[in-house]
Amino acid sequence: DVKVTQSSRYLVKRTGEKVFLECVQDMDHENMFWYRQDPGLGLRLIYFSYDVKMKEKGDIPEGYSVSREKKERFSLILESASTNQTSMYLCASRHGVGLYEQYFGPGTRLTVT
Amino acid sequence: AQTVTQSQPEMSVQEAETVTLSCTYDTSESDYYLFWYKQPPSRQMILVIRQEAYKQQNATENRFSVNFQKAAKSFSLKISDSQLGDAAMYFCAYRSAQGGSEKLVFGKGTKLTVNP
Repeated sequence: DVKVTQSSRYLVKRTGEKVFLECVQDMDHENMFWYRQDPGLGLRLIYFSYDVKMKEKGDIPEGYSVSREKKERFSLILESASTNQTSMYLCASRHGVGLYEQYFGPGTRLTVT
Repeated sequence: AQTVTQSQPEMSVQEAETVTLSCTYDTSESDYYLFWYKQPPSRQMILVIRQEAYKQQNATENRFSVNFQKAAKSFSLKISDSQLGDAAMYFCAYRSAQGGSEKLVFGKGTKLTVNP
């Protein structure tokens, strides 16, 4: 079974802190994604990566950056956390393109106070 | 840009009954993929069913089936013999078949409640 894990289920940070969210997948997937999920807004793509050291902006990249130094790991960085970044963050991975299934992690609920 | 619309923020169904969740999408492309994902409360999102646009036959997975109407750009999900475990958020998603299109575009979701 494909497994996508995220470093924390719950995280509380203060405004202005630098925050790292880690995601690891164990199936050698090329593509990895970071989404944020907010009630009534669905899932919105922050960044994705289609290869090591490659990244593309999604729909809402402002205030975020990412790092992919190894194929299995994709990190989301909040350079200076703000209260409007309080949200559920979901990581996902997928092999290739086409009809391949996208696998999701359990999510990290981040609260910025 | 493609958009996905789920017009029903919430739905409810009695156990053992059938329910249909609506999804429409907007695209100018002829080849693409459509998905339904399920997110149970406090659990990971999982794939329910998927469909390739060039296949006219509607996809089926056990109690889950879709009604794919390409001309109408509609992709509804039918759940038969609903079970308590079907209670979840359901998301419809679109992905282009064009090369280099890795992004999934999601609708805002429909919360399904199953009443015993």
